[in-house]
Amino acid sequence: DSGVTQTPKHLITATGQRVTLRCSPRSGDLSVYWYQQSLDQGLQFLIQYYNGEERAKGNILERFSAQQFPDLHSELNLSSLELGDSALYFCASSEGLTPYEQYFGPGTRLTVT
Amino acid sequence: QKEVEQDPGPLSVPEGAIVSLNCTYSNSAFQYFMWYRQYSRKGPELLMYTYSSGNKEDGRFTAQVDKSSKYISLFIRDSQPSDSATYLCAMRATSGTYKYIFGTGTRLKVLA
Repeated sequence: DSGVTQTPKHLITATGQRVTLRCSPRSGDLSVYWYQQSLDQGLQFLIQYYNGEERAKGNILERFSAQQFPDLHSELNLSSLELGDSALYFCASSEGLTPYEQYFGPGTRLTVT
Repeated sequence: QKEVEQDPGPLSVPEGAIVSLNCTYSNSAFQYFMWYRQYSRKGPELLMYTYSSGNKEDGRFTAQVDKSSKYISLFIRDSQPSDSATYLCAMRATSGTYKYIFGTGTRLKVLA
């Protein structure tokens, strides 16, 4: 158990809908990262927050947004969902800004029908 | 061309074999190199990391980085069925970005 929690575990929704994925980092970790993992694209970095501020952006679509709250938990919002958004979404956390080690949560499996 | 290329496998080996997993990359700015292991339906977990070139050993695992060839490897000695998983390489530049680039992963199956 990495100490990172993600909810929900599974999510099934229809195209065009909006969902929110939640992540609680390990105690003491200030950085949160979001990743999307699909069969054909592998693990894609979406966005990083450090102590409430956005620090790095990857291949995140404009329909997706994220934030990190004062208690350091983070939410990833996915809107106008498309079939291609079906994937595993992982959250990871780390103590610092640019570490080697990121601790990954168990993931949220999103299925868009 | 992807920034990081990794053979997806699957790779099947008998128990006790030496396994070699590899990634190639195109961005010469990458300085931090990591290997993650991911079991089915779980999040990735960090196995090893190296900075710049050279070798690093940890138990049955050895990581190698050859920056001149833009090639990194992970060797697993005396492989066990419990090593069966997907292995992901990851890398990052030193400065200018905190963006981590992952390979697509190699599926490894160690047969008892």
